[in-house]
Amino acid sequence: DAGVTQSPTHLIKTRGQQVTLRCSPKSGHDTVSWYQQALGQGPQFIFQYYEEEERQRGNFPDRFSGHQFPNYSSELNVNALLLGDSALYLCASSLRLYGYTFGSGTRLTVV
Amino acid sequence: LAKTTQPISMDSYEGQEVNITCSHNNIATNDYITWYQQFPSQGPRFIIQGYKTKVTNEVASLFIPADRKSSTLSLPRVSLSDTAVYYCLVVPDGSSNTGKLIFGQGTTLQVKP
Repeated sequence: DAGVTQSPTHLIKTRGQQVTLRCSPKSGHDTVSWYQQALGQGPQFIFQYYEEEERQRGNFPDRFSGHQFPNYSSELNVNALLLGDSALYLCASSLRLYGYTFGSGTRLTVV
Repeated sequence: LAKTTQPISMDSYEGQEVNITCSHNNIATNDYITWYQQFPSQGPRFIIQGYKTKVTNEVASLFIPADRKSSTLSLPRVSLSDTAVYYCLVVPDGSSNTGKLIFGQGTTLQVKP
């Protein structure tokens, strides 16, 4: 039973660049949520996708955008990267709003 | 959503029982209490969830008093591998559930040999 898969595991980008992170949900799940976790902090909700639409959004600027595909996989895009965007980006899948399973995350470093 | 308060850190020794208490004074009637565990460079992992009284699974027990304003996660006979950050969350059920999990800073548990 495949859990949540995220790629890449690590990434280094330069300020001002754009990045795309990918997430494949757990089998049977239809909803994907993205979280940002800065060092020493708890995960912060970015947004959630269900039926290929953004359903909920946290307090993040428009530089953060996403997409969900018909197979329920999802992408997180961040434009105009700032040093403060350096963090662990976590994807969580669920069956609608229940049974959250987190991936191991993508460690993004902006230099 | 109810805010939770828990100790920033705790130390224990192998074989001891560890109790982590979480305060959630503004918990609503349809809120559940959920605990997650997170190891470094991994995503949070669901441990246990409860509404009232006591819930027990193969990993932990969760004690919730009648007023539900606090809860205690109990880890029996911890080992070095239990060293992790533990998060207490209050999650609404039903129509109040927006799907947005709100994490605090969590409790960093350090288990020593």
